[in-house]
Amino acid sequence: GAGVSQTPSNKVTEKGKYVELRCDPISGHTALYWYRQSLGQGPEFLIYFQGTGAADDSGLPNDRFFAVRPEGSVSTLKIQRTERGDSAVYLCASSLSASGRAEDTQYFGPGTRLTVL
Amino acid sequence: DQQVKQNSPSLSVQEGRISILNCDYTNSMFDYFLWYKKYPAEGPTFLISISSIKDKNEDGRFTVFLNKSAKHLSLHIVPSQPGDSAVYFCAARWGNAGKSTFGDGTTLTVKP
Repeated sequence: GAGVSQTPSNKVTEKGKYVELRCDPISGHTALYWYRQSLGQGPEFLIYFQGTGAADDSGLPNDRFFAVRPEGSVSTLKIQRTERGDSAVYLCASSLSASGRAEDTQYFGPGTRLTVL
Repeated sequence: DQQVKQNSPSLSVQEGRISILNCDYTNSMFDYFLWYKKYPAEGPTFLISISSIKDKNEDGRFTVFLNKSAKHLSLHIVPSQPGDSAVYFCAARWGNAGKSTFGDGTTLTVKP
């Protein structure tokens, strides 16, 4: 079946603008994760959902970042008043559940490259 | 405070030889470790994992070794192939949340 998809693949915006990044997880996956990867670094955890609720949002850097998953499938990461430091690749991943068991592999999408000018 | 460290940004090996990628961690709460492979313009792909109750896990050409006392793990690829050329990320988890902490990656180049 289809993997995790993310749209747009690239987003260029100006400082101070609002952006939304979308993630479509693998069908049937209850857990959904957002990570941010800056140049030369590994992915950094932002937030994860179990179903519709945010089970852990401890990685969100500040209150300009917000994510939703209203129907337990598609998720949107929202960034207000963007800053140049927000420029990064935003990765989404999904897994069958969030138990952390060996078989609960996280499948990553290709990411959205956000550039804030 | 980086809890998962990959101290070698890059590694180059000859086709057919062994590739050894290393990873160190500081948080003793981590109980599950993973390796991901990433090609340009793609997301990371799960490669192999190991639970903290084991010291070795093997899957085909890939073997992961865990030394808990040293807080060190390594990924061995034997024999290395040009298609293995990619960025390899070490990651760790604790508890059952599935949230992963990643290292900064090692770029492996396998020369034909």
